[in-house]
Amino acid sequence: EIVMTQSPATLSLPQGERATLSCRASHSVNINLAWYQKRPGQPHRLLMYDATTRATDIPARFSGSGSGTEFTLTISGLQSEDFAVYYCQQYNQWPSTFGQGTKVEIK
Amino acid sequence: QMQLQESGPGRVKPSETLSLTCTVSGASIRNYYCNWIRQPAGKGPEWIGRIYTSGSTNYNPSLKSRATMSVDTSKNQFSLKLSSVTAADTAIYYCAKARDCTNVACYYDSWGQGTLVTVSS
Repeated sequence: EIVMTQSPATLSLPQGERATLSCRASHSVNINLAWYQKRPGQPHRLLMYDATTRATDIPARFSGSGSGTEFTLTISGLQSEDFAVYYCQQYNQWPSTFGQGTKVEIK
Repeated sequence: QMQLQESGPGRVKPSETLSLTCTVSGASIRNYYCNWIRQPAGKGPEWIGRIYTSGSTNYNPSLKSRATMSVDTSKNQFSLKLSSVTAADTAIYYCAKARDCTNVACYYDSWGQGTLVTVSS
C-alpha cells in the first residue's frame, strides 16, 4: 500500500502567518489527493480534493499544489479557526491511505 | 446538510465482535459509497471499508476478512462488524460518506464525530 508521510508533525505559527504543510507519497498518486481539517469536537472537514480543488465553502486562503509524490497545503494568513490537525489522503490506489497528520498550533 | 452519527458499545472484550451503526440525517445515503475509517491513538486514520447502497462492499485487506458491512436504506443507516478483536483494534471509529471516487478509492465530504471503542476485558 502507499505510505503517506506528512511534515512537519507540528507547526507553531502566530495568527496571520502563512502555513505550509507537506505530504509525500511513497509512490505516485497522480493528483488523487485530498486534504482534511480536524478540529476538536468537530467532524473532519474536506478542504481540497484532486490536489488543487477547494471543496465547497472552503475559503480562498486555503490552496493546494503538487502531483505525483509531493504535495503542499498552504494556508495564507492563519485565522484562529485554522489551528487544527490536517491530514492528507491518497485515493489513487487501493486501499486508500492517510498521512499521520500535521498539527498547526498557535505560537 | 448531511450529518452522520456513530453508535455502539464503547468497550468490547478481546476475541468478541465489535458492532457499530452509522445513522445518517439530512439527506439520503442512496447512491453513495458509505465508509468506515478508524484512528488509533497517536496514528493516522485507516480506511476500513466501504459499502454502496446496492450492498456491494470493499474492505481493507489489512483486516484479514474480519470486517463486514451492511446497509439499510429504509433507515438511512449502515453498519460495521469487526470480529475477533484485539487490543490493536482500539481506536476512534468514524463513518464517512464519499463525495466522489476514482475506480478504486474515494474521498469523503461528510464525517461523523467518531466513537471511541476500547478492546479490553
